[in-house]
Amino acid sequence: EPEVTQTPSHQVTQMGQEVILRCVPISNHLYFYWYRQILGQKVEFLVSFYNNEISEKSEIFDDQFSVERPDGSNFTLKIRSTKLEDSAMYFCASRVDREQPQHFGDGTRLSIL
Amino acid sequence: SQKIEQNSEALNIQEGKTATLTCNYTNYSPAYLQWYRQDPGRGPVFLLLIRENEKEKRKERLKVTFDTTLKQSLFHITASQPADSATYLCALDTAASGYSTLTFGKGTMLLVSP
Repeated sequence: EPEVTQTPSHQVTQMGQEVILRCVPISNHLYFYWYRQILGQKVEFLVSFYNNEISEKSEIFDDQFSVERPDGSNFTLKIRSTKLEDSAMYFCASRVDREQPQHFGDGTRLSIL
Repeated sequence: SQKIEQNSEALNIQEGKTATLTCNYTNYSPAYLQWYRQDPGRGPVFLLLIRENEKEKRKERLKVTFDTTLKQSLFHITASQPADSATYLCALDTAASGYSTLTFGKGTMLLVSP
C-alpha cells in the first residue's frame, strides 16, 4: 500500500540554525499538510497546501516557517532560525481529494539544542 | 471556546472485551470526524471516517458512531486483542475554507491485557 515517507527520521540542530524537513506524499494525492506534536501533547495543524500554494495556516505557522513543493514528488517544511520550543515530531500528511481521509507519514523528530 | 475532549487518558481492558472510547466536542460543526491509531514514535494511522449525515460506520472489529446533536462520537473495538494496545485519536475536520484541516483530541491510551 502506498505511504507517505518522511526524511530524516531524526534531526538534531543547534538553536538558530535552519532546518528542512522532507516529505514524499502519496503519488496521486493533491492536498498536503504539515502537523507537529510536542512530546506528550496533541497533534497540531501547521499548514495545508494545494495547487502550489498555502490554503490554510495556523497561528503556529509564523514567518519562521515556509513550505515548498520544489518538484512533482517532494514537499518540504523549512524552519528558519530554530528555537528550543520548535523541538517536536513533525508529521507530513496527504490526501487525494477533499472527501477522503488524510494519510500521515511516520514523522521527523526534531531536537533543538 | 472550542474544545475536543477524549473521555479518558487511559483505558485498561481484558482481551476479548469491547473497548469503548468517547470523543466530545464543543463549538464546532464538523463536516466529518476521523479516528486514528498512534503507536509510540509513529505517525497517526487512519482507521475510520464518518460524515455528519452518517450515524454509524463499521470496519471489521471497529465501529464508530456520530451524534451531531450530542456532539459526540463513540469508537468501539470488539473482541479486543493485546495488539490493539495503542493511543486512539479523534480528529475533526474544522477548516473554515473547506480545505479540511484536522483538529485532534489528546487521545486515549488503550491497554488490552491478555
